[in-house]
Amino acid sequence: EPEVTQTPSHQVTQMGQEVILRCVPISNHLYFYWYRQILGQKVEFLVSFYNNEISEKSEIFDDQFSVERPDGSNFTLKIRSTKLEDSAMYFCASSGAAGNQPQHFGDGTRLSIL
Amino acid sequence: AQSVTQPDIHITVSEGASLELRCNYSYGATPYLFWYVQSPGQGLQLLLKYFSGDTLVQGIKGFEAEFKRSQSSFNLRKPSVHWSDAAEYFCAVAAGGNDMRFGAGTRLTVKP
Repeated sequence: EPEVTQTPSHQVTQMGQEVILRCVPISNHLYFYWYRQILGQKVEFLVSFYNNEISEKSEIFDDQFSVERPDGSNFTLKIRSTKLEDSAMYFCASSGAAGNQPQHFGDGTRLSIL
Repeated sequence: AQSVTQPDIHITVSEGASLELRCNYSYGATPYLFWYVQSPGQGLQLLLKYFSGDTLVQGIKGFEAEFKRSQSSFNLRKPSVHWSDAAEYFCAVAAGGNDMRFGAGTRLTVKP
């Protein structure tokens, strides 16, 4: 069964540094998503992406965040100047359509900000 | 905006006992409803989904869920729990848009 893959599995970064989290969605999917899960808390929606542009974003997704689909297979989340509170698990997901298709999740990248 | 409530933060059941995890949603119309399971250090795995039609849906690993419009609920059930079912369970709702909203999760502990 096709999977969403995320790299790296764990990223440790100094506060203030830029970090890029990478995802390879399922190849025939058209909708891509990023979610965040702070340790012990619920999964929070960050952003959805379709047709090479952001379709929806949450209040968490401020100017420090950006997403990009640089080629036909990768989907990245960039945090420009990391803060301690950005430490979390970041999950990428993809789906074939919006709403009525389940989103398939990767195993996540654990981001630790020092 | 849609929202999801999982009233139980932590549930402990004995192996072989039945299980019901509660989920209530808030949305003006019928949303798309999902249950995901997360094992420690792992991603989210889809257990089952409801879009329309039969209100009792079957999922993987012997789980089922029932959509009750009158109660705005989508509770997850399993008749006999196995030790490997210990995990965090998330109910989620998507209202036709692109964002999925998750509940806070219910942590399931299984006693031998």
